[in-house]
Amino acid sequence: EVQLIQSGTEVKKPGATVRISCNVSGYILSAYKIHWVQQAPGRRLVWLGLVDPDDGQTMYAEKFQGRVIITADTSSETAYLSLSSLTSEDTALYYCATDVYGSYMDVWGTGTAVIVSS
Amino acid sequence: EIVMTQSPATLSVSPGERATLSCRASQSVSSNLAWYQQKPGQAPRLLISGASTRATGFPARFSGSGSGTEFTLTISSLQSEDFAVYYCQQYDKWPRTFGQGTKVEI
Repeated sequence: EVQLIQSGTEVKKPGATVRISCNVSGYILSAYKIHWVQQAPGRRLVWLGLVDPDDGQTMYAEKFQGRVIITADTSSETAYLSLSSLTSEDTALYYCATDVYGSYMDVWGTGTAVIVSS
Repeated sequence: EIVMTQSPATLSVSPGERATLSCRASQSVSSNLAWYQQKPGQAPRLLISGASTRATGFPARFSGSGSGTEFTLTISSLQSEDFAVYYCQQYDKWPRTFGQGTKVEI
């Protein structure tokens, strides 16, 4: 069974950087791309970007360019999302999700809450 | 970017009734449209891909249709476990974009 287990809740101050992990099991990380999606309270799902763990190539949403870095460590079967210069607008749940066919999100992670507060 | 618009925002339905959810794209996405189901406290779950292909684990009462800019998700006879929020998402162009969701409530 494919599972994506994410790291726990993060509480950060404005201006800080958060790093979230997504550990996969049931398949080899390098086989499928990984997306990251933001779900802020009361707002629609927003795509942040993706990584192809096989070659490390990434693609980011223009809205988050310069603030987001997505990486993958095949040795630990883990993908990472880093988001910098945090503001209260970044308070949200963040999900990783697999992408088998280079299109939609097949299996979603457990979600990580990020709270940005002074 | 492609803007996805869902309607209605909330759909109040009784168990056993039919529910019809709409999703409109600001430009054609061909059949590159997915639907996700999200229950409270859970991650979204892939329901439909390719506008009409049901994902593993979902019963036949769920069906998707449409192409281009107009899409529909139909739940033929609502069961208690179907009350949730449903999102559409286009994967024709980058960035991937989602609708704002339709909440199906009792």
